[in-house]
Amino acid sequence: GENVEQHPSTLSVQEGDSAVIKCTYSDSASNYFPWYKQELGKRPQLIIDIRSNVGEKKDQRIAVTLNKTAKHFSLHITETQPEDSAVYFCAAMGQAGTALIFGKGTTLSVSS
Amino acid sequence: DAEITQSPRHKITETGRQVTLACHQTWNHNNMFWYRQDLGHGLRLIHYSYGVQDTNKGEVSDGYSVSRSNTEDLPLTLESAASSQTSVYFCASQLGMGTEQFFGPGTRLTVL
Repeated sequence: GENVEQHPSTLSVQEGDSAVIKCTYSDSASNYFPWYKQELGKRPQLIIDIRSNVGEKKDQRIAVTLNKTAKHFSLHITETQPEDSAVYFCAAMGQAGTALIFGKGTTLSVSS
Repeated sequence: DAEITQSPRHKITETGRQVTLACHQTWNHNNMFWYRQDLGHGLRLIHYSYGVQDTNKGEVSDGYSVSRSNTEDLPLTLESAASSQTSVYFCASQLGMGTEQFFGPGTRLTVL
């Protein structure tokens, strides 16, 4: 089945810096790649997603890039703010079609 | 407002007991999922359902079962709780393939 690897597991940046989180997936048939943000004690919430027919997608300070040939996708956060501190999860839609398989998460800490 | 709820939010039980965690959504979503979240492991898929009477095993299904008798509910049952099943459990629902998964607030289960 699908396997998703996520790096790094922790990331510390200064406010205003950029942060990049990278994920690789194993199933070449996967075609939907969402990113979720989970604040401490809260539920995961979708922040951005990308489909396989698109190479890049932006939403204000957040962007996601996808390289289907290499089977990896990345989350880019620019001008980071303390409220960006959270755990970020990448995911890929597995062989079953609708069941997301998640990476292990990246804990992002933004210090002011 | 449409929503997804889980109950109980916290549960303490003993080894060997049967436990059922409830998940209820009012969006009329076809797809529902159960994940467990453990430190260092991210979100791991337990079971999922594409509709009434449909259930499928995920990555870590041993010791768990689900049933889907209506669109709104997907209860998760631990047949004989084990300490290794101490975790935070998230239910999620999704309208269809490749669309956003909405997570419930989570249930923290402790097995003593």
